Amino acid sequence: GAVVSQHPSWVICKSGTSVKIECRSLDFQATTMFWYRQFPKQSLMLMATSNEGSKATYEQGVEKDKFLINHASLTLSTLTVTSAHPEDSSFYICSARTGAKNIQYFGAGTRLSVL
Amino acid sequence: AQKVTQAQTEISVVEKEDVTLDCVYETRDTTYYLFWYKQPPSGELVFLIRRNSFDEQNEISGRYSWNFQKSTSSFNFTITASQVVDSAVYFCALSEDRGSTLGRLYFGRGTQLTVWP
Repeated sequence: GAVVSQHPSWVICKSGTSVKIECRSLDFQATTMFWYRQFPKQSLMLMATSNEGSKATYEQGVEKDKFLINHASLTLSTLTVTSAHPEDSSFYICSARTGAKNIQYFGAGTRLSVL
Repeated sequence: AQKVTQAQTEISVVEKEDVTLDCVYETRDTTYYLFWYKQPPSGELVFLIRRNSFDEQNEISGRYSWNFQKSTSSFNFTITASQVVDSAVYFCALSEDRGSTLGRLYFGRGTQLTVWP
């Protein structure tokens, strides 16, 4: 299967700082990438859909100024959690969709802890 | 509206038992895709299978098999002779073929499978 790399896998930061998470498709080009948030023992919650070269589409209730998404190339999308607070602590997962097969391949996730 | 229901929250079996994970979906579209993903404790979602709405053939891959029945809107997943390494959360998901939401996945709540030695 296709490989999606997500970095970092784990980050601890102080309240008020910003954290950037990278999502890369290593062996295919992804015109669309997705960002999810997952709380313990719950399903994935879609935060936003990121299309290369255009603005991300955010789901209802997700603050676009808080969660900045940039999809500058066909293989890279970034999520920046700005001015992070303890309530932003969560597991963030990205995915990249292959156009031909319409399959989303997922990164390993980033566990964010805000102190 | 799109919806995926995984009624089984947790299932526990003993190694070598067969286990079936249920998935029921709702959609108004005639063209859609169904998926199963595995999420082990490490957290990464591993793609297992994709099935389009026009292909109702059952599929077998090693110890895994899938039963797609449009008449009951179900896409069940069976693991034969389960192993401890099968312990994970399994998600069923639906994707529609519309322009505005193309590729978006609607996930079920997941089923935690625990296989005991």
